[in-house]
Amino acid sequence: GAGVSQSPSNKVTEKGKDVELRCDPISGHTALYWYRQSLGQGLEFLIYFQGNSAPDKSGLPSDRFSAERTGGSVSTLTIQRTQQEDSAVYLCASSTPGGGGRGVGDTQYFGPGTRLTVL
Amino acid sequence: AQSVTQLDSQVPVFEEAPVELRCNYSSSVSVYLFWYVQYPNQGLQLLLKYLSGSTLVKGINGFEAEFNKSQTSFHLRKPSVHISDTAEYFCAVSELFNDYKLSFGAGTTVTVRA
Repeated sequence: GAGVSQSPSNKVTEKGKDVELRCDPISGHTALYWYRQSLGQGLEFLIYFQGNSAPDKSGLPSDRFSAERTGGSVSTLTIQRTQQEDSAVYLCASSTPGGGGRGVGDTQYFGPGTRLTVL
Repeated sequence: AQSVTQLDSQVPVFEEAPVELRCNYSSSVSVYLFWYVQYPNQGLQLLLKYLSGSTLVKGINGFEAEFNKSQTSFHLRKPSVHISDTAEYFCAVSELFNDYKLSFGAGTTVTVRA
C-alpha cells in the first residue's frame, strides 16, 4: 500500500518568507508526527497529533512554527518568517495503534521528507 | 528526559564481515528502543524494536539487537553485511509515559566495501 508522502520534496525560499509543508499519512493512521533533521541538531521531535488534536507541541522551536491536521488525515507544518537556521529536512511519520487504542511503542512510518533551504 | 548516544559516527566494514553498532541510552523510567535505517535520499525505515520480553530482538535484513538494562545499551549487530547495507543507522528511545516521542541518536554511517 501507499506509504507516507510529503510535498514538496524540496523547497528553497528566501529569508523572511512563509512556507507550508504538507504530509499525507498512511490511510487509517490516527497518529501523526513531525520531526526535523538538521546537521547541527540531528533528528528532533517537533509535534504529535492524535486525530486532529495536538497533545504535545513541545518540540516546536518557536512561535513561528505551527501545524494543523484536518479530517484526521493531512497535516500542514507552517513556518512563518523563515530564518536560515530553519534549513533542514522536515520528516513526517504516522502510526496506528493496535487493539483499538493508542498502542505501546507503535511503529512510526516515515515519509521521505521535505528538504527546506532558506537563503 | 531520555537521551541516546551512538558511540560511533562512522563504521567502515568489508562485505561479508560482521558489524556492530553501539547505542547507549539514559532515562529515569522504562523505555522502548528502536533501530531505524536511512538509505540515501530515503526516509527512515524501522529495522527492529524492543518493547518487552526477550532481550534479543530480531529484525529485518538479518539484523538483531540486544537490550541490556544494566548497561543501558541496545547494540545492533549483523553477522555478515552486504554492499546494500550501506546507510545511516539511528538508535531511538521512547519513554513509558510518552511513548509517542522518539529521541534519536546522532546516527552511525555504515559504509560497506567490497
